[in-house]
Amino acid sequence: EAQVTQNPRYLITVTGKKLTVTCSQNMNHEYMSWYRQDPGLGLRQIYYSMNVEVTDKGDVPEGYKVSRKEKRNFPLILESPSPNQTSLYFCASSLGLAKTQYFGPGTRLTVT
Amino acid sequence: GENVEQHPSTLSVQEGDSAVIKCTYSDSASNYFPWYKQELGKRPQLIIDIRSNVGEKKDQRIAVTLNKTAKHFSLHITETQPEDSAVYFCAAPRVGYQKVTFGTGTKLQVIP
Repeated sequence: EAQVTQNPRYLITVTGKKLTVTCSQNMNHEYMSWYRQDPGLGLRQIYYSMNVEVTDKGDVPEGYKVSRKEKRNFPLILESPSPNQTSLYFCASSLGLAKTQYFGPGTRLTVT
Repeated sequence: GENVEQHPSTLSVQEGDSAVIKCTYSDSASNYFPWYKQELGKRPQLIIDIRSNVGEKKDQRIAVTLNKTAKHFSLHITETQPEDSAVYFCAAPRVGYQKVTFGTGTKLQVIP
């Protein structure tokens, strides 16, 4: 089954404790993104990757890191989480920029 | 950068009536305009999209229209049903930057 998976689905952590949210897709998609969803702000792109070893900042990259060592995986790293990073995070993948994006199930992150 | 404005932010309609959601964009190079539906607690999923070489596209009760001159595109839902209740997002790629910008979302409520 074609899908995008994310883990964990829910995470409560404390300020400053490094965490990683994993994302994996099995559709051989080249383009992958991370978004955060906040009430009234829609989906905002954090980072994106055009292909393996090619990543770049989206509109809200501060406080986040990513890597793309393999085509299928695109982890999101918060090295020192802060309460303003409490949000719902979605990973997405597509064949390219102007193609349908397939979203993961979301990760609800709370930073206290 | 690219600005995608989406209106209205909330919309209530009676079952059977039509609903229209409009988005405007600023990047004249944008060439792909998708609409995503997000049901409560679920991930966004594509419902319809349009490319810049056509002005309208229909799929049963939903349609999207594009006015490239005015830089706006709209989602039309006819004969609304309670299961159409959801949050709808438009999006537009920023071709020169390889990024995607989403609108802030429209919460549609269909009243039985």
